[in-house]
Amino acid sequence: AQSVTQLGSHVSVSEGALVLLRCNYSSSVPPYLFWYVQYPNQGLQLLLKYTTGATLVKGINGFEAEFKKSETSFHLTKPSAHMSDAAEYFCAVSAAYNQGGKLIFGQGTELSVKP
Amino acid sequence: DGGITQSPKYLFRKEGQNVTLSCEQNLNHDAMYWYRQDPGQGLRLIYYSQIVNDFQKGDIAEGYSVSREKKESFPLTVTSAQKNPTAFYLCASSIGLLSAEQYFGPGTRLTVT
Repeated sequence: AQSVTQLGSHVSVSEGALVLLRCNYSSSVPPYLFWYVQYPNQGLQLLLKYTTGATLVKGINGFEAEFKKSETSFHLTKPSAHMSDAAEYFCAVSAAYNQGGKLIFGQGTELSVKP
Repeated sequence: DGGITQSPKYLFRKEGQNVTLSCEQNLNHDAMYWYRQDPGQGLRLIYYSQIVNDFQKGDIAEGYSVSREKKESFPLTVTSAQKNPTAFYLCASSIGLLSAEQYFGPGTRLTVT
């Protein structure tokens, strides 16, 4: 069985500050890990993904995440927040195989950016 | 441009009526998915289909039905048996079984009164 926990349903940062959104997962098989972003009343857009290989993954809009197997974590970071980063962010996990590509989502973290 | 379209964007229905949400993709993806999103609950899987004429129940299939007669289309019917149908519904697709990366449509907000 797989699960995802996102710590903090709301995170607020100042413009230019570091963004850190936390995600911990549970998986009995090697995981695929994803971060998606959702703007109000829109669908989800893929920010980045980890499947295999390099554990530090770079995504769009300056975001990156590091897969840490020992900590079962996949935290999302961005060095300097921009007003346009305000949105809801979802971490998701999928089994590497034999699961029909099913994604298990966390509860989401709403990011606010203060001027 | 390739992508996923969902229509309509907003849908209003009276309680007791069935309603069908449309999802079309031109990405040539084999797998398609329906999710329900409620505030503070993330996304929950309703149904998914890995191939034409085949689909499986997700975690919250009760009160919903789907069909997959064409590769590009995966309509979702919200039946009168669904106790709390008001929600934001998202359709997604992926290349296939071994590709977990999913692409999402813009969503349909259904309000039932």
